[in-house]
Amino acid sequence: EVQLVQSGAEVKKSGDSLIISCEASGYRFPNYWIGWVRLMPGKGLESMGVIFPADSDARYSPSFQGQVTISADKSLSTAYLRWSSLKASDTAIYYCTRALKYGSGWFFDYWGRGTPVTVSS
Amino acid sequence: EVVLTQSPGTLSLSPGERASLFCRASQSLYSNFLAWYQLKPGQAPRLFIYGASSRATGIPDRFSGSGSGTDFTLTISRLEPEDFAVYYCQHYGGSSPDTFGQGTKLEMK
Repeated sequence: EVQLVQSGAEVKKSGDSLIISCEASGYRFPNYWIGWVRLMPGKGLESMGVIFPADSDARYSPSFQGQVTISADKSLSTAYLRWSSLKASDTAIYYCTRALKYGSGWFFDYWGRGTPVTVSS
Repeated sequence: EVVLTQSPGTLSLSPGERASLFCRASQSLYSNFLAWYQLKPGQAPRLFIYGASSRATGIPDRFSGSGSGTDFTLTISRLEPEDFAVYYCQHYGGSSPDTFGQGTKLEMK
């Protein structure tokens, strides 16, 4: 059974750094893309970017390029999402997903339960 | 960038009724690369439909996806209590970035 277990809720201040994680099991982690998706309060879903753990090839959606860093450790079957300096506008739920590539894009066949991040100014 | 517009914003129906959720794209979608997801608070979101009409693993056959080009529909033939949630469509695989619609909330009347 495919499972994506995400790290717990975070409460931070503007300017803080943060790394959240996603541990995968039930499939060959290096061979599937992992994606991160944001859900802001009262808003819709946004695809942030994806990574291929076998070679750490990371691709970012234009809105998130330079704002976050996606990484993966295939020895731990774990993906990460990192901020170097949080803003209040980063307050959201962040979902880890297993991403399937079609053409030049991805859709998401398995999801974690989400990591809520609250950033106070 | 492809903009997806979902309608209605909120749909109020009763168990047993038929639901039709719509997703319109601002331009014709590459190879009908459109997915539908269900979100419920506190739960992991689920993929329901991909490729516009293919059901994901474990999705009941009361759910069906249809459409091509710019107009797509998610139909639930007979609503069960567990179907009430927010549904999002997503475009993927084209020359522009992957995008989601703004969601349709399916609520119990």
